[in-house]
Amino acid sequence: DAGITQSPRHKVTETGTPVTLRCHQTENHRYMYWYRQDPGHGLRLIHYSYGVKDTDKGEVSDGYSVSRSKTEDFLLTLESATSSQTSVYFCAIKGTYEQYFGPGTRLTVT
Amino acid sequence: KNEVEQSPQNLTAQEGEFITINCSYSVGISALHWLQQHPGGGIVSLFMLSSGKKKHGRLIATINIQEKHSSLHITASHPRDSAVYICAVENSGGSNYKLTFGKGTLLTVNP
Repeated sequence: DAGITQSPRHKVTETGTPVTLRCHQTENHRYMYWYRQDPGHGLRLIHYSYGVKDTDKGEVSDGYSVSRSKTEDFLLTLESATSSQTSVYFCAIKGTYEQYFGPGTRLTVT
Repeated sequence: KNEVEQSPQNLTAQEGEFITINCSYSVGISALHWLQQHPGGGIVSLFMLSSGKKKHGRLIATINIQEKHSSLHITASHPRDSAVYICAVENSGGSNYKLTFGKGTLLTVNP
């Protein structure tokens, strides 16, 4: 599993509240990614990081921000959650060849 | 049109059958990945390939760069192979290894 954990694993929150999801890795990989997975859309890239304090947008970045202040942690923040952000969120890191995925966070916005 | 198209969307097979899942893409790529996701489960990388063919156990992945097409084969399928299989491509040209995904193929293998 390349030492990737995500927290929380499940969260229910109300519309308009801020939410932060955490991805933690133990193997010092440079590249980290946040994806969301939705029925009918598959996995889509939200934001990614190519080093500490180096981040960039993916294809579905609206409504999300990220931060990476140290190599091992990549945070995804929903500033004001909306029902359209109900999804399963996966963090991933790039290993030598493959990408390794975290276990996912199921977020429900009511 | 999606950059990555998989077929079929759903596939049901009997145990022991030979399975083929197809992936076509429309952009230049540096690599193609096959991933597996069991129901309610995490995502596991099966293969990364940029040319030719790779084999791991009963799984075989092939890619034809000229035709922009890849196939994932499962020999002697088993119910534990039931999962969603996802194709993803790394666009060429310094993309920070970002992946673009197909929508997945749901495979059900019945005993």
